[in-house]
Amino acid sequence: EPEVTQTPSHQVTQMGQEVILRCVPISNHLYFYWYRQILGQKVEFLVSFYNNEISEKSEIFDDQFSVERPDGSNFTLKIRSTKLEDSAMYFCASSDRGSTDTQYFGPGTRLTVL
Amino acid sequence: AQKVTQAQTEISVVEKEDVTLDCVYETRDTTYYLFWYKQPPSGELVFLIRRNSFDEQNEISGRYSWNFQKSTSSFNFTITASQVVDSAVYFCALRRGSTLGRLYFGRGTQLTVWP
Repeated sequence: EPEVTQTPSHQVTQMGQEVILRCVPISNHLYFYWYRQILGQKVEFLVSFYNNEISEKSEIFDDQFSVERPDGSNFTLKIRSTKLEDSAMYFCASSDRGSTDTQYFGPGTRLTVL
Repeated sequence: AQKVTQAQTEISVVEKEDVTLDCVYETRDTTYYLFWYKQPPSGELVFLIRRNSFDEQNEISGRYSWNFQKSTSSFNFTITASQVVDSAVYFCALRRGSTLGRLYFGRGTQLTVWP
């Protein structure tokens, strides 16, 4: 069964460093998303991406965040200058259609900022 | 504004007991979608069910069943004859019908099933 994959599973970085989290969505999906979950809290939407541009972003997704689909398979989230409060589990998701379809999530990347 | 409330933070049951997880949502949209996801201790988010606002028919899938009631804005999830493997955090989520897909999650309910 097709699945969303994410790498790395765990990333440790120093405050102020740049990190890139990678995702490979399900191959025929067209809509891509990033969410984050601070430990013990609810899952929060960051950004949605369709047709090579951002469709929607939340108030969390400020100028230090960016997303890119550099090729036909990868979808990345970059955090330019990490802060302690960026420590969280980051989930990538994809769906076949936007408003009428189910989002399937990857296993997540746990980001730890020291 | 969209809001999902899962009032039960933690529930503990003994194996074979039935358990119901509550979900109450708020939206002014007439078209919307409701979801349940399971997050086992390994951390991934596993899709369980999607329901659209026009389909109030309850659904049963094995030991799982869902009760959608628009009149009370609730979408409750029942596990029958619970098993230890059901131990997980369960999230209810809402998506508006008019956007490309942002999910609004509740805070989740930690279910622990004891042998």
